[in-house]
Amino acid sequence: QVQLQESGPGLVKPSETLSLTCVVSGGSIRSYYWTWIRQPPGKALEWIGYMHYTGNTNFNPSLKSRVTISVDTSKSRFSLELSSVTAADTAVYYCAAYFDFWNGSLGYWGQGTLVTVSA
Amino acid sequence: QSALTQPASVSGSPGQSITISCAGTSSDVGGSNSVSWYQQHPDKAPKLIIYEVLSRPSGVSNRFSGSKSGNTASLTISGLQAEDEADYYCSSYVSGTTYVVFGGGTKMTVL
Repeated sequence: QVQLQESGPGLVKPSETLSLTCVVSGGSIRSYYWTWIRQPPGKALEWIGYMHYTGNTNFNPSLKSRVTISVDTSKSRFSLELSSVTAADTAVYYCAAYFDFWNGSLGYWGQGTLVTVSA
Repeated sequence: QSALTQPASVSGSPGQSITISCAGTSSDVGGSNSVSWYQQHPDKAPKLIIYEVLSRPSGVSNRFSGSKSGNTASLTISGLQAEDEADYYCSSYVSGTTYVVFGGGTKMTVL
């Protein structure tokens, strides 16, 4: 059973870069497509993007210019960087993995980590 | 790409059945069988309960069922239980892509 755990700063200043890491256990980092999803307080889920260890990626067009996702196979973890953040980027950030990439089903989720953008 | 449209809230009494709709377009829900549904309890991560329109992951109660007609997908919960009270989200790939679009979420209350 794949288990995911996010970590990173809970507070980021406006205009800076948000950086989060997700550690993978119970499954191979090479076997899944890894994704990030966020949820502003009291609002809906928003898909950020995914990466496969082969380098295959796709991003939400509304965030594409500010997002970087990377996969570290040696440490069985993947990361998210979101640059030039504003208050609108305040959200709970979830790392997740597709149960089956080809049908878009996200079957494995981390517990989520709240990131607040504030000076 | 716009979010999929869900009712903000639905409610039902224990034992009853309720249906949550997820309206999209021919570019997402209508053009793809990659519709999924997620259940989210307060302060918890979402949990996959339906994938490929009507399939259930192992361990998910058969009281949850999915369907699709045209550009609208639906989630039905039968035999409502108190533990079903949660937020529910639908999602779909945009047709021909691997871009995921979510619905706005529905708060389901058990009366």
